[in-house]
Amino acid sequence: GQQLNQSPQSMFIQEGEDVSMNCTSSSIFNTWLWYKQDPGEGPVLLIALYKAGELTSNGRLTAQFGITRKDSFLNISASIPSDVGIYFCAGMTQGGSEKLVFGKGTKLTVNP
Amino acid sequence: SAVISQKPSRDICQRGTSLTIQCQVDSQVTMMFWYRQQPGQSLTLIATANQGSEATYESGFVIDKFPISRPNLTFSTLTVSNMSPEDSSIYLCSADRQGARNGYTFGSGTRLTVV
Repeated sequence: GQQLNQSPQSMFIQEGEDVSMNCTSSSIFNTWLWYKQDPGEGPVLLIALYKAGELTSNGRLTAQFGITRKDSFLNISASIPSDVGIYFCAGMTQGGSEKLVFGKGTKLTVNP
Repeated sequence: SAVISQKPSRDICQRGTSLTIQCQVDSQVTMMFWYRQQPGQSLTLIATANQGSEATYESGFVIDKFPISRPNLTFSTLTVSNMSPEDSSIYLCSADRQGARNGYTFGSGTRLTVV
């Protein structure tokens, strides 16, 4: 089945630093999504990307949909303690059931 | 109130019993899904809950173990049957509250521990 390779698996950074994480796949996706999950909560959508090459920002977050449609990255600038959590990429194919395939997640720790 | 509420939020169950998890969305939605998230892991899709017809299960998940109901466009249930400790996980409901193209919204999950 379709799989997403998400890296890094975990990151430990200092407050104020920038963060970058990415996802790659051997399959093409028509939509890329980035979610954040806090402990005890469900994932919350951060950014949705719909077109190859698309670059979208949401505050300090920036994400891009790769030209090949097989990859995406998420950048967080000037990290703050509340950025702590697990970040998941997810790909959606069009047609059929429009299901999501999730990456394994990047656990982010921000040291004050 | 939550846009997608799940009940119970957590439970501790005896092996061999069954637990039914409820998912209520605050608006009518087309797509509803059930996921399992094992400790420290990613989300794995169990099934798509179809309104008015049988759920569509992913490979490795069967109806006898995870029966699903979807009686209307705002509500679904997932039952974890004949539980064993391996079923200890977080179970999450999601729905296309703002249209599938805008990604899916998730409930807060049900943390299940089987002893």
